[in-house]
Amino acid sequence: AQSVTQPDIHITVSEGASLELRCNYSYGATPYLFWYVQSPGQGLQLLLKYFSGDTLVQGIKGFEAEFKRSQSSFNLRKPSVHWSDAAEYFCAVGSSNDYKLSFGAGTTVTVRA
Amino acid sequence: NAGVTQTPKFRILKIGQSMTLQCTQDMNHNYMYWYRQDPGMGLKLIYYSVGAGITDKGEVPNGYNVSRSTTEDFPLRLELAAPSQTSVYFCASSTTQIGEAFFGQGTRLTVV
Repeated sequence: AQSVTQPDIHITVSEGASLELRCNYSYGATPYLFWYVQSPGQGLQLLLKYFSGDTLVQGIKGFEAEFKRSQSSFNLRKPSVHWSDAAEYFCAVGSSNDYKLSFGAGTTVTVRA
Repeated sequence: NAGVTQTPKFRILKIGQSMTLQCTQDMNHNYMYWYRQDPGMGLKLIYYSVGAGITDKGEVPNGYNVSRSTTEDFPLRLELAAPSQTSVYFCASSTTQIGEAFFGQGTRLTVV
């Protein structure tokens, strides 16, 4: 069964500083990986996804993520955070033969001025 | 651009009451999903559907029922509400099972 671990429950970062959110997955075959963002009181919005090809993927809002098969990781990064990046971030894994996305527990990001 | 619409946004139920959470999408997506979100637990899949007339259980289906009579609508039914069903419920849809999932804004349900 596939599963996702987000080791950091809460991260606080200064505005303008870089951000990295960790995601580790467990899946036997090649996974399909996603990062979603949830602003307070809102639904989830897709930031980026990895299916195959280039292991560094670019997403919306200046985010990028790198797939590392040897480490079973798909970490999300942003070079310079803005106050509007304060939100909860979810990593998810899916597969081509399964209809389900498995989500991590989420990482809450607080941005301080 | 409505996307995925959920109603109601908030609801308080008494133990033993029943209710239906409504979900409608206008993107002609075949795949639809119901998730519940609990603090520190991420999202858990309750039920999903791969097309009109076809539904199947997810990870946490107990206490819930669904139907899918049209492509657009995927209501979630709670028959006998219990405090353990206090949660935020999200409906989502996608074009394929590995495509981008579009989420509604959620329904916050409290059972007292």
